[in-house]
Amino acid sequence: AQSVTQLDSQVPVFEEAPVELRCNYSSSVSVYLFWYVQYPNQGLQLLLKYLSGSTLVKGINGFEAEFNKSQTSFHLRKPSVHISDTAEYFCAVSTQGSGGSEKLVFGKGTKLTVNP
Amino acid sequence: SAVISQKPSRDICQRGTSLTIQCQVDSQVTMMFWYRQQPGQSLTLIATANQGSEATYESGFVIDKFPISRPNLTFSTLTVSNMSPEDSSIYLCSVRGARGGSYEQYFGPGTRLTVT
Repeated sequence: AQSVTQLDSQVPVFEEAPVELRCNYSSSVSVYLFWYVQYPNQGLQLLLKYLSGSTLVKGINGFEAEFNKSQTSFHLRKPSVHISDTAEYFCAVSTQGSGGSEKLVFGKGTKLTVNP
Repeated sequence: SAVISQKPSRDICQRGTSLTIQCQVDSQVTMMFWYRQQPGQSLTLIATANQGSEATYESGFVIDKFPISRPNLTFSTLTVSNMSPEDSSIYLCSVRGARGGSYEQYFGPGTRLTVT
Protein backbone atom coordinates (compact mmCIF):
# COMPACT_ATOMS: atom_id res chain seq x y z
CA ALA A 1 0.00 0.00 0.00
CA GLN A 2 1.08 3.54 -0.68
CA SER A 3 2.16 5.73 2.20
CA VAL A 4 3.24 9.32 2.62
CA THR A 5 5.61 10.57 5.30
CA GLN A 6 5.83 14.20 6.21
CA LEU A 7 8.95 14.36 8.30
CA ASP A 8 8.13 17.51 10.28
CA SER A 9 4.86 17.92 12.16
CA GLN A 10 5.59 21.58 12.94
CA VAL A 11 7.85 24.13 11.24
CA PRO A 12 8.24 27.60 12.78
CA VAL A 13 9.98 30.24 10.67
CA PHE A 14 10.38 33.98 10.63
CA GLU A 15 8.74 36.14 8.00
CA GLU A 16 10.75 36.50 4.76
CA ALA A 17 12.84 33.42 5.57
CA PRO A 18 12.96 30.47 3.15
CA VAL A 19 11.13 27.27 4.07
CA GLU A 20 11.17 23.63 2.98
CA LEU A 21 8.47 21.17 3.98
CA ARG A 22 9.58 17.60 3.46
CA CYS A 23 7.56 14.77 1.98
CA ASN A 24 8.56 11.21 1.15
CA TYR A 25 6.36 8.57 -0.38
CA SER A 26 6.54 4.82 -0.84
CA SER A 27 5.75 3.46 -4.25
CA SER A 28 7.03 0.94 -6.73
CA VAL A 29 5.02 2.37 -9.60
CA SER A 30 4.41 5.73 -11.20
CA VAL A 31 2.59 8.16 -8.97
CA TYR A 32 0.93 11.51 -9.07
CA LEU A 33 1.91 13.84 -6.24
CA PHE A 34 0.12 16.80 -4.71
CA TRP A 35 0.51 19.45 -2.06
CA TYR A 36 -2.56 20.93 -0.40
CA VAL A 37 -2.85 23.81 2.06
CA GLN A 38 -5.48 24.11 4.79
CA TYR A 39 -5.94 27.51 6.38
CA PRO A 40 -7.57 27.59 9.83
CA ASN A 41 -11.22 26.53 9.74
CA GLN A 42 -11.20 26.05 5.98
CA GLY A 43 -11.15 23.18 3.50
CA LEU A 44 -8.15 22.05 1.48
CA GLN A 45 -6.79 24.10 -1.42
CA LEU A 46 -4.62 22.55 -4.12
CA LEU A 47 -1.19 24.22 -4.10
CA LEU A 48 0.51 22.27 -6.87
CA LYS A 49 0.73 18.89 -8.53
CA TYR A 50 3.21 16.63 -10.28
CA LEU A 51 1.75 14.41 -12.98
CA SER A 52 4.65 14.01 -15.41
CA GLY A 53 7.30 16.01 -17.24
CA SER A 54 9.50 18.60 -15.55
CA THR A 55 10.44 17.57 -12.03
CA LEU A 56 10.22 21.14 -10.77
CA VAL A 57 6.62 22.25 -10.48
CA LYS A 58 5.41 25.69 -9.57
CA GLY A 59 2.20 26.35 -7.73
CA ILE A 60 0.16 29.17 -6.33
CA ASN A 61 1.33 31.72 -3.77
CA GLY A 62 5.00 31.38 -4.80
CA PHE A 63 5.38 27.76 -3.75
CA GLU A 64 7.27 25.16 -5.77
CA ALA A 65 8.12 21.49 -5.32
CA GLU A 66 10.67 19.13 -6.79
CA PHE A 67 9.93 15.52 -7.66
CA ASN A 68 12.91 13.27 -6.99
CA LYS A 69 12.22 9.74 -8.12
CA SER A 70 15.45 8.22 -6.82
CA GLN A 71 14.82 9.59 -3.34
CA THR A 72 11.02 9.17 -3.57
CA SER A 73 10.62 12.72 -2.34
CA PHE A 74 8.44 15.70 -3.21
CA HIS A 75 9.59 18.53 -0.98
CA LEU A 76 7.75 21.86 -0.96
CA ARG A 77 9.71 25.12 -0.93
CA LYS A 78 9.17 28.84 -0.80
CA PRO A 79 12.08 31.31 -0.92
CA SER A 80 10.44 33.94 1.27
CA VAL A 81 7.38 33.30 3.43
CA HIS A 82 4.70 35.69 4.62
CA ILE A 83 2.60 35.73 7.77
CA SER A 84 -0.35 34.71 5.58
CA ASP A 85 1.38 31.40 4.74
CA THR A 86 0.66 30.18 8.26
CA ALA A 87 -1.40 27.05 7.68
CA GLU A 88 -1.26 23.27 7.61
CA TYR A 89 0.26 21.67 4.54
CA PHE A 90 -0.57 18.16 3.36
CA CYS A 91 1.37 16.06 0.89
CA ALA A 92 -0.65 13.44 -0.99
CA VAL A 93 0.01 10.64 -3.46
CA SER A 94 -2.49 9.17 -5.86
CA THR A 95 -2.85 5.42 -5.59
CA GLN A 96 -5.21 2.60 -6.44
CA GLY A 97 -8.22 2.47 -4.13
CA SER A 98 -11.00 -0.04 -3.44
CA GLY A 99 -12.91 -0.96 -6.56
CA GLY A 100 -10.00 -0.05 -8.82
CA SER A 101 -10.36 3.71 -8.76
CA GLU A 102 -7.47 5.97 -7.90
CA LYS A 103 -7.53 7.58 -4.50
CA LEU A 104 -5.43 10.11 -2.62
CA VAL A 105 -3.38 9.03 0.37
CA PHE A 106 -2.41 11.91 2.64
CA GLY A 107 0.50 12.52 4.93
CA LYS A 108 -0.13 13.58 8.51
CA GLY A 109 0.44 17.23 7.68
CA THR A 110 2.99 19.89 8.57
CA LYS A 111 1.88 22.94 10.51
CA LEU A 112 3.79 25.97 9.22
CA THR A 113 3.86 28.95 11.55
CA VAL A 114 5.34 32.19 10.23
CA ASN A 115 6.37 34.59 12.96
CA PRO A 116 6.98 38.33 12.55
CA SER B 1 -11.13 24.33 -10.48
CA ALA B 2 -14.55 23.42 -9.12
CA VAL B 3 -16.60 25.37 -6.61
CA ILE B 4 -17.90 23.02 -3.93
CA SER B 5 -20.35 23.88 -1.18
CA GLN B 6 -21.33 21.81 1.84
CA LYS B 7 -24.29 22.06 4.18
CA PRO B 8 -24.31 22.37 7.09
CA SER B 9 -20.97 24.05 7.73
CA ARG B 10 -21.08 22.86 11.34
CA ASP B 11 -23.44 21.12 13.72
CA ILE B 12 -23.64 19.88 17.27
CA CYS B 13 -25.61 16.65 17.60
CA GLN B 14 -26.62 14.30 20.37
CA ARG B 15 -25.37 10.75 20.45
CA GLY B 16 -27.67 8.22 18.82
CA THR B 17 -28.98 10.67 16.22
CA SER B 18 -28.08 10.93 12.52
CA LEU B 19 -26.89 13.85 10.39
CA THR B 20 -27.00 14.16 6.61
CA ILE B 21 -24.35 16.33 4.97
CA GLN B 22 -24.92 17.72 1.50
CA CYS B 23 -22.29 18.42 -1.15
CA GLN B 24 -23.05 20.52 -4.22
CA VAL B 25 -20.63 21.15 -7.11
CA ASP B 26 -20.93 23.91 -9.70
CA SER B 27 -20.12 21.58 -12.61
CA GLN B 28 -20.62 17.95 -13.51
CA VAL B 29 -17.93 15.68 -12.11
CA THR B 30 -17.20 12.03 -12.62
CA MET B 31 -16.00 11.14 -9.15
CA MET B 32 -16.98 12.37 -5.71
CA PHE B 33 -15.31 11.38 -2.47
CA TRP B 34 -16.07 11.73 1.22
CA TYR B 35 -13.25 12.16 3.73
CA ARG B 36 -13.05 12.37 7.49
CA GLN B 37 -10.53 14.54 9.32
CA GLN B 38 -10.46 13.78 13.02
CA PRO B 39 -9.17 16.49 15.38
CA GLY B 40 -5.50 17.17 14.76
CA GLN B 41 -5.28 14.37 12.21
CA SER B 42 -4.87 13.96 8.49
CA LEU B 43 -7.61 13.04 6.03
CA THR B 44 -8.99 9.52 5.73
CA LEU B 45 -11.08 8.44 2.77
CA ILE B 46 -14.50 7.09 3.77
CA ALA B 47 -15.89 6.19 0.36
CA THR B 48 -15.99 6.96 -3.34
CA ALA B 49 -19.38 7.89 -4.78
CA ASN B 50 -19.99 7.55 -8.50
CA GLN B 51 -23.29 8.47 -10.10
CA GLY B 52 -25.47 5.51 -10.95
CA SER B 53 -23.63 2.96 -8.85
CA GLU B 54 -23.20 1.96 -5.24
CA ALA B 55 -20.61 3.82 -3.22
CA THR B 56 -17.32 2.01 -2.64
CA TYR B 57 -16.24 2.04 1.00
CA GLU B 58 -12.72 1.93 2.37
CA SER B 59 -11.60 -0.54 4.98
CA GLY B 60 -13.08 0.34 8.35
CA PHE B 61 -16.13 2.15 6.97
CA VAL B 62 -19.50 0.51 6.30
CA ILE B 63 -22.66 1.53 4.49
CA ASP B 64 -24.90 1.11 7.54
CA LYS B 65 -22.89 3.72 9.42
CA PHE B 66 -22.16 6.08 6.49
CA PRO B 67 -24.84 5.73 3.82
CA ILE B 68 -24.12 7.80 0.72
CA SER B 69 -26.32 8.97 -2.12
CA ARG B 70 -25.22 10.25 -5.54
CA PRO B 71 -28.37 11.07 -7.47
CA ASN B 72 -26.68 13.11 -10.22
CA LEU B 73 -23.33 14.43 -11.42
CA THR B 74 -23.31 17.55 -9.23
CA PHE B 75 -24.67 16.38 -5.86
CA SER B 76 -24.02 13.86 -3.12
CA THR B 77 -24.98 13.29 0.50
CA LEU B 78 -23.24 11.52 3.37
CA THR B 79 -25.20 10.46 6.43
CA VAL B 80 -23.46 9.81 9.72
CA SER B 81 -25.78 7.37 11.49
CA ASN B 82 -26.27 6.54 15.15
CA MET B 83 -23.61 9.02 16.12
CA SER B 84 -21.20 8.71 19.04
CA PRO B 85 -18.62 11.20 20.34
CA GLU B 86 -15.98 9.32 18.31
CA ASP B 87 -17.70 10.60 15.15
CA SER B 88 -16.76 14.18 16.03
CA SER B 89 -14.71 15.22 13.01
CA ILE B 90 -14.61 17.42 9.98
CA TYR B 91 -16.26 15.72 7.00
CA LEU B 92 -15.06 16.86 3.60
CA CYS B 93 -16.52 16.33 0.18
CA SER B 94 -14.07 16.13 -2.71
CA VAL B 95 -14.43 15.87 -6.48
CA ARG B 96 -12.34 14.80 -9.44
CA GLY B 97 -12.97 15.29 -13.12
CA ALA B 98 -14.27 18.83 -13.01
CA ARG B 99 -14.04 20.75 -16.27
CA GLY B 100 -11.97 18.04 -17.96
CA GLY B 101 -9.29 17.76 -15.31
CA SER B 102 -8.72 14.08 -14.76
CA TYR B 103 -6.30 14.02 -11.86
CA GLU B 104 -6.86 17.18 -9.87
CA GLN B 105 -8.98 16.66 -6.80
CA TYR B 106 -10.76 19.59 -5.17
CA PHE B 107 -12.25 19.86 -1.71
CA GLY B 108 -15.26 21.51 -0.17
CA PRO B 109 -15.01 23.69 2.93
CA GLY B 110 -15.95 20.83 5.23
CA THR B 111 -18.65 20.17 7.81
CA ARG B 112 -17.49 20.38 11.41
CA LEU B 113 -19.46 17.86 13.47
CA THR B 114 -19.46 17.69 17.25
CA VAL B 115 -21.29 14.83 18.94
CA THR B 116 -22.17 15.24 22.60
